[in-house]
Amino acid sequence: NAGVMQNPRHLVRRRGQEARLRCSPMKGHSHVYWYRQLPEEGLKFMVYLQKENIIDESGMPKERFSAEFPKEGPSILRIQQVVRGDSAAYFCASSPIGQNQPQHFGDGTRLSIL
Amino acid sequence: QKEVEQDPGPLSVPEGAIVSLNCTYSNSAFQYFMWYRQYSRKGPELLMYTYSSGNKEDGRFTAQVDKSSKYISLFIRDSQPSDSATYLCASGGYGNNRLAFGKGNQVVVIP
Repeated sequence: NAGVMQNPRHLVRRRGQEARLRCSPMKGHSHVYWYRQLPEEGLKFMVYLQKENIIDESGMPKERFSAEFPKEGPSILRIQQVVRGDSAAYFCASSPIGQNQPQHFGDGTRLSIL
Repeated sequence: QKEVEQDPGPLSVPEGAIVSLNCTYSNSAFQYFMWYRQYSRKGPELLMYTYSSGNKEDGRFTAQVDKSSKYISLFIRDSQPSDSATYLCASGGYGNNRLAFGKGNQVVVIP
């Protein structure tokens, strides 16, 4: 399967812990996007990255959230000191190089905070 | 005002009927319009991708964009039970890779 791979599929954390979500883009894709989906809400853009660069982080909360897409390895979305309100489905998408290419999504990581 | 509005009300139709879904958007800079299908506990799957105004057809699916009224539509002909899913509309502007999504419409096709 050459699709966008996210892991883990489910992640349970206690309040105050750190959550790390991983995303491997489709083969040949160099752009990665993270979106969050809250219950009864649509997908909300968080951040857009290219290899070793954050291009647009306008949707990222100012504190506790960070993202990276290193030269080697998957993209990581990190949430420090998680709170109950961070419980959501986090989706990663990828696209090939170029403006406004179609974005293809993974199956998400469902984060639950106890 | 949300950038993309989609009435999230569930829609039930009998098998074989035409499904009609609509969204409106507020950002005049949007030029790219997409429809995604999302099954329960899965990620959104790209169905249709269109640029600017006009129609695009792919099998049983037709996407329409009317930029003058900022209105986008998806039609599903000869609906099948396997079409039962949530349908999300999304829009993006040229040079801005951030997509704005509607809340989604849950569609149930009854055999």
